[in-house]
Amino acid sequence: GESVGLHLPTLSVQEGDNSIINCAYSNSASDYFIWYKQESGKGPQFIIDIRSNMDKRQGQRVTVLLNKTVKHLSLQIAATQPGDSAVYFCAEPPLGGYNKLIFGAGTRLAVHP
Amino acid sequence: DGGITQSPKYLFRKEGQNVTLSCEQNLNHDAMYWYRQDPGQGLRLIYYSQIVNDFQKGDIAEGYSVSREKKESFPLTVTSAQKNPTAFYLCASSIASGGRADTQYFGPGTRLTVL
Repeated sequence: GESVGLHLPTLSVQEGDNSIINCAYSNSASDYFIWYKQESGKGPQFIIDIRSNMDKRQGQRVTVLLNKTVKHLSLQIAATQPGDSAVYFCAEPPLGGYNKLIFGAGTRLAVHP
Repeated sequence: DGGITQSPKYLFRKEGQNVTLSCEQNLNHDAMYWYRQDPGQGLRLIYYSQIVNDFQKGDIAEGYSVSREKKESFPLTVTSAQKNPTAFYLCASSIASGGRADTQYFGPGTRLTVL
């Protein structure tokens, strides 16, 4: 497969454990955040999003938490499975950049049986 | 099926040649984007278009060109002026709802290698 993010921070978890992937954002005026999952050699896939008027949003096995005080975003994956192994990116709009997104460098999640 | 398609999946180019990467979407999205991805880095914006016949430079537009003659299509040309074109290229589209940031949906990518 393609080598995406050779030097990314890596989170290693055991299958069945919960995973928490963190992201610090820079623009305190950002009102929208997205998490993407990218498997090797593929395009990023939308996982979940959250608007700044919310602190928490839940999806299927995933939860996003937003702490605006410290400009921190986290993605929690419950009962992590081997298929969750991928690089995870957070994204936010840049200051004044409507219809654009800035992507973080990403975190590699490695799930071990 | 609705979605974004990119072709080809793999592309090889000799130095000094221009090459065009295809991106088509049938999601009826107004906005389309091109990103470049290198190992160890996040996605970097090359060009984006919010409406037909209009496009703007992103953060790394030098050595690239685009056109947006149809809503469904946003081809990217990598010119010989691009000094380090070997990378994974991703196309995306979004609804573009009048000033708010929207979810971008990505194609499968094209891996360009310069020989």
